[in-house]
Amino acid sequence: EPEVTQTPSHQVTQMGQEVILRCVPISNHLYFYWYRQILGQKVEFLVSFYNNEISEKSEIFDDQFSVERPDGSNFTLKIRSTKLEDSAMYFCASSARTGITEAFFGQGTRLTVV
Amino acid sequence: QKEVEQNSGPLSVPEGAIASLNCTYSDRGSQSFFWYRQYSGKSPELIMSIYSNGDKEDGRFTAQLNKASQYVSLLIRDSQPSDSATYLCAIFKDYGGSQGNLIFGKGTKLSVKP
Repeated sequence: EPEVTQTPSHQVTQMGQEVILRCVPISNHLYFYWYRQILGQKVEFLVSFYNNEISEKSEIFDDQFSVERPDGSNFTLKIRSTKLEDSAMYFCASSARTGITEAFFGQGTRLTVV
Repeated sequence: QKEVEQNSGPLSVPEGAIASLNCTYSDRGSQSFFWYRQYSGKSPELIMSIYSNGDKEDGRFTAQLNKASQYVSLLIRDSQPSDSATYLCAIFKDYGGSQGNLIFGKGTKLSVKP
């Protein structure tokens, strides 16, 4: 069964360092998303991506964040200068169409900023 | 008013019983509704989607939607200990065109006692 895959599963980084989280969406999907979940809190939307550009972004997705689809399979989230409060689980998701079809999530990357 | 509200629980039911999980939402224009299951430390796993008023059944799961009351529910029949997890209600927030994203509730923690 097709699945969304994310690497790494766990990343520890020093405050102020740049991190890149990687995702391989399901191959025939067109819509890609990043969500995050701080420990004990709800899943929060960060950004959606379609046709090689950002479709929508939340207030969380400030200038420290960027996304890229560098080739036909990968979808990346970059945090330029990590802060302690960026520590969270980051989930990539993809869907075939927007809205009326389901979004499937990867297993997540646990980011720990120290 | 929160966009998606759920009782955080925990909801405890005995094995074999029916578990009933409820969710209300504030956006009357919402058209797509989803239930995800999330085990501790894992990613959300889609278990049900519903788009029309009424009931939708899939195995032991039944999703119910009442758009007039802005209410979505999930029933789990013959609950098993393996159903113990946090259940996330999500709505699709449609900004039009290709823009939109999932808005999650905080989740209801379900515990099924053997």
